Amino acid sequence: QSVLTQPPSVSAAPGQKVTISCSGSTSNIGNNYVSWYRQLPGTAPQLLIYDDNKRPSGIPDRFSGSKSGTSATLGITGLQTGDEAEYYCGTWDTSLRALLFGGGTELTVL
Amino acid sequence: QITLKESGPTLVKPTQTLTLTCTFSGFSISATGVAVGWNRQPPGRALEWLALIYWDDDKHYSPSLKSRLTITKDTSKNQVVLTMTNMDPVDTATYYCAHRHTSLGRGVMFDRWGQGILVTASS
Repeated sequence: QSVLTQPPSVSAAPGQKVTISCSGSTSNIGNNYVSWYRQLPGTAPQLLIYDDNKRPSGIPDRFSGSKSGTSATLGITGLQTGDEAEYYCGTWDTSLRALLFGGGTELTVL
Repeated sequence: QITLKESGPTLVKPTQTLTLTCTFSGFSISATGVAVGWNRQPPGRALEWLALIYWDDDKHYSPSLKSRLTITKDTSKNQVVLTMTNMDPVDTATYYCAHRHTSLGRGVMFDRWGQGILVTASS
């Protein structure tokens, strides 16, 4: 069981908005920056968001990140069928001295 | 353009040592701020971080696997090598290497990933 908690699955219709949560503690999310990754089936993870809310070049502004206290959220607007993937949050844990990933959330675009 | 590729055995026997090599291009592991990490993903399960090595040879390991892991770098060959001792069937996973640069953000994250290599531990 992951230290970072994500919902196992979320779903929404094309064109709609969805949010994915990532819950942790003061030793990880509460005091370190959060990143988000998308993993399409059969492929390697891709960085979507870093430093809580920054997008790497090439990532559309449909993707956004936010953080409050010990929880972080990934938002995706204008959902497309191509967004169906597994999404992971990640952050450093100061107490464990380890990089943590959440358990992953499967996004279904109905 | 940064690229990374993992190589090594795809099948190992229990108790054997796994040696994986990450060969990269588009950056130098000796450049200030650069780091390469290893992660793995058992079939159908979540990502798990394993180890990280920085340009200055600073190394970090997953606490739960630290006794079994060794990460090293070969600057001249543009490679980072991960060894994992005493392999077990539960170590069956796709292993990924990935790039980090401290100038790209203040948090610890990977902006480029290799394609991964599936390693099966079985007799």
